[in-house]
Amino acid sequence: GESVGLHLPTLSVQEGDNSIINCAYSNSASDYFIWYKQESGKGPQFIIDIRSNMDKRQGQRVTVLLNKTVKHLSLQIAATQPGDSAVYLCAENRGSSNTGKLIFGQGTTLQVKP
Amino acid sequence: DGGITQSPKYLFRKEGQNVTLSCEQNLNHDAMYWYRQDPGQGLRLIYYSQIVNDFQKGDIAEGYSVSREKKESFPLTVTSAQKNPTAFYLCASSMGDRVSEAFFGQGTRLTVV
Repeated sequence: GESVGLHLPTLSVQEGDNSIINCAYSNSASDYFIWYKQESGKGPQFIIDIRSNMDKRQGQRVTVLLNKTVKHLSLQIAATQPGDSAVYLCAENRGSSNTGKLIFGQGTTLQVKP
Repeated sequence: DGGITQSPKYLFRKEGQNVTLSCEQNLNHDAMYWYRQDPGQGLRLIYYSQIVNDFQKGDIAEGYSVSREKKESFPLTVTSAQKNPTAFYLCASSMGDRVSEAFFGQGTRLTVV
């Protein structure tokens, strides 16, 4: 069936390096893609989203890239800090923007080494 | 402070008992959602509600029930019909037209023994 998936379950980076977290999706009809950060034992926190008609969107220290040709989404974190250690979840919103059907991937655990 | 509150944080129940998880928000959001998260897995949608007195089944609604009598509240009941209820349950809310910016509660970890 259709799903959202992440390439790697765990990513380990050195403090100060840039991190790139990847996600593959299969549903071309999705109009929104979202990245969430989830710390241990807590609920996900919204990081950044991108509409399907965009290729790139930048936030504070984060950039999301969307490649619709290969159905690939990535989250880039600049100058990774220990506080960035968490599980990162990608999600797609299928259908119209107010249906509430966010489909989540399994998550990538980012470990930041001091 | 505005936010979304789930209670309790940890919940233990015996097999065969129904249990209700609380979710309250004071963000004036129209839409509310319940997700289930299993270890190493993403979130799966159980139920969602876009307006008071209305709700729709998500992808894994079997064995669960909800109500939406007030805008602020969206309780989830895990019934004895749910075959594998032990999980981390997350409630979220959003403005009706901004589901991509859903705010999540801190979750309830339910353990059925």
